[in-house]
Amino acid sequence: DIQMTQSPSTLSASVGDRVTITCRASQSISSWLAWYQQKPGKAPKLLIYKASSLQNGVPSRFSGSGSGTEFTLTISSLQPDDFATYYCQQYNSYWTFGQGTKVEIK
Amino acid sequence: QVHLVESGGGVVQPGRSLRLSCAASGFMFSGYGMHWVRQAPGKGLEWVALIWYDGGNKYFADSVKGRFTISRDNSNNTLYLQMNSLRAEDSAVYYCARSNYGSGSYIDYWGQGTLVTVSS
Repeated sequence: DIQMTQSPSTLSASVGDRVTITCRASQSISSWLAWYQQKPGKAPKLLIYKASSLQNGVPSRFSGSGSGTEFTLTISSLQPDDFATYYCQQYNSYWTFGQGTKVEIK
Repeated sequence: QVHLVESGGGVVQPGRSLRLSCAASGFMFSGYGMHWVRQAPGKGLEWVALIWYDGGNKYFADSVKGRFTISRDNSNNTLYLQMNSLRAEDSAVYYCARSNYGSGSYIDYWGQGTLVTVSS
């Protein structure tokens, strides 16, 4: 089974900050990685697929990079609407989520 | 637009069964694989099962294999999750979600979820 590990688990940041979240796979998953945003009490929302492709309608301040076993999600300038929990998910072999990264207000 | 509505959640005793449904609209249901994903209270997301667009292939997480089955009715645009031998650790919000492809791929749309509580 492929394990996904996100870091950090919690991140405190201010509006306007550049934020980076890391996701590591226990084995190579090529570029078969997605990122989701989830707000309390709501369903997750797709942000990025195939490691770096931005889903339609997602603001361009979100970007993804990486391949193989190491991936990053970057928010170039954090906005009030971005405080949420972010999950990575591999879909190379079955489907596995990372444990999540909560982005909270500093 | 894509719309997924889950139903069938509730409180059930350990060892009993429950069937969840997901009504899909706004897209050609028969052309897409469909996932179930769950989230225990205060916890992260856990993938549960996937069914291909035609029902021809099904995949399950180890935690539910042998107890849960996934099926679909393409004539009625409905996805199902039959959950048997339920345990306390199955308590979660269950989301129905669309795979971006006919087989397994990333999830591009999610329902709002239905809560399952397993308790005596």
